[in-house]
Amino acid sequence: DIQLTQSPSSLSASVGDRVTITCQASQDIKKSLNWYQQRAGKPPKLLVYDASKLETGVPSRFSGSGSGTDFTFTISGLQAEDIATYYCQQYESLTTFGGGTKVDLK
Amino acid sequence: QVHLVQSGAEVKKPGSSVKVSCKASGDTFSGYTITWVRLAPGQGLEWMGRVSPSLGMTHYAQKFQGRVTITADKSTTTAYMELSGLRFEDTAMYYCAGRSDSFTWYYFDNWGQGTQVTVSS
Repeated sequence: DIQLTQSPSSLSASVGDRVTITCQASQDIKKSLNWYQQRAGKPPKLLVYDASKLETGVPSRFSGSGSGTDFTFTISGLQAEDIATYYCQQYESLTTFGGGTKVDLK
Repeated sequence: QVHLVQSGAEVKKPGSSVKVSCKASGDTFSGYTITWVRLAPGQGLEWMGRVSPSLGMTHYAQKFQGRVTITADKSTTTAYMELSGLRFEDTAMYYCAGRSDSFTWYYFDNWGQGTQVTVSS
């Protein structure tokens, strides 16, 4: 199985801050990576697919980059409604999720 | 967009089984893949497996092999996830996610509302 290591596991930031989350794969997954947002009590929401493509309707402050084993997810200016847990997911070999990054307000 | 509606919350004893349903409305289920994902307290999302009725394919995560059975009934456009040998650590919210294109089944862009399963003695 391909393992995904996300860091940090949690972070606190202020509104307007730039937030960066990393996801490292245990082997080369090319660009086979998605990012999800999960707010409390809600199902996950797909934000970024194929490592860097923004899902329709997702605000442009969200972005993804990377390929191979190292990936980055960025919120360019944190908003209050972005408080959630974020997950990366690989689909190079079946699928697995990273451990998640909980983002809250400082 | 197909709407996915899951069955209600369940409370089960250790060692028993639970069967959760996921009904798709608004489409014929043709070409669909339904995936099951769970979120346990204090844990991250965990992929359990998927079924592609039109392709006749089922895949399970290694962790759940032998304990989980995922099926689909095309006539009722309903998918099922049955987990046996329940343990306290199976207490979780269980989600189904659907994708109309089975060849890109891994883009989870349509989710059910979730079903809480609690394992308690």
